[in-house]
Amino acid sequence: DTAVSQTPKYLVTQMGNDKSIKCEQNLGHDTMYWYKQDSKKFLKIMFSYNNKELIINETVPNRFSPKSPDKAHLNLHINSLELGDSAVYFCASSQGGRFNEKLFFGSGTQLSVL
Amino acid sequence: DQQVKQNSPSLSVQEGRISILNCDYTNSMFDYFLWYKKYPAEGPTFLISISSIKDKNEDGRFTVFLNKSAKHLSLHIVPSQPGDSAVYFCAAMGSNYKLTFGKGTLLTVNP
Repeated sequence: DTAVSQTPKYLVTQMGNDKSIKCEQNLGHDTMYWYKQDSKKFLKIMFSYNNKELIINETVPNRFSPKSPDKAHLNLHINSLELGDSAVYFCASSQGGRFNEKLFFGSGTQLSVL
Repeated sequence: DQQVKQNSPSLSVQEGRISILNCDYTNSMFDYFLWYKKYPAEGPTFLISISSIKDKNEDGRFTVFLNKSAKHLSLHIVPSQPGDSAVYFCAAMGSNYKLTFGKGTLLTVNP
């Protein structure tokens, strides 16, 4: 009964491939996010959706495309994977609102591009 | 451009003693601060938060102190327990609702 679940947990793929990571939350939250933790361990926001609407879009290559079919799901599709895309990707959700940005994170997807 | 800095990559304390984790920030527009704890192979989990109108917030064994003039916050864990061993992330937010995280501090509590 995981609150924020993302799949797959591990993803190993070749350069140039296209892959997707799925995320679902059962908390009834309005806002969902994708974060990337790179090799230097920084957690950086990539995208945020509120009620299926994109509200934060950081400087991310346009090979990364988020899709939110409904407010409980936020998927991340990555085209033409590159070595530098190797990282841990975390999905998160929050109830939203000022001073209410307590994020609930999924357990992460370790992406390795060979 | 690290707006949130955790200068100690690791900290080791004895069980029962106090753990103090520090965090500095550079952006004066930040007005809400949070601490997250992360175990290996898991996502970060929320621990405690503080808004800029306060200088202290306490929740059980965890207390966060905020010094706005110094742009510094700290997390105190008393008493420390072996189960507290994890990576602790400091995070800050301004009016743009974006959370900016530090690199984390690995806390090891020795029995």
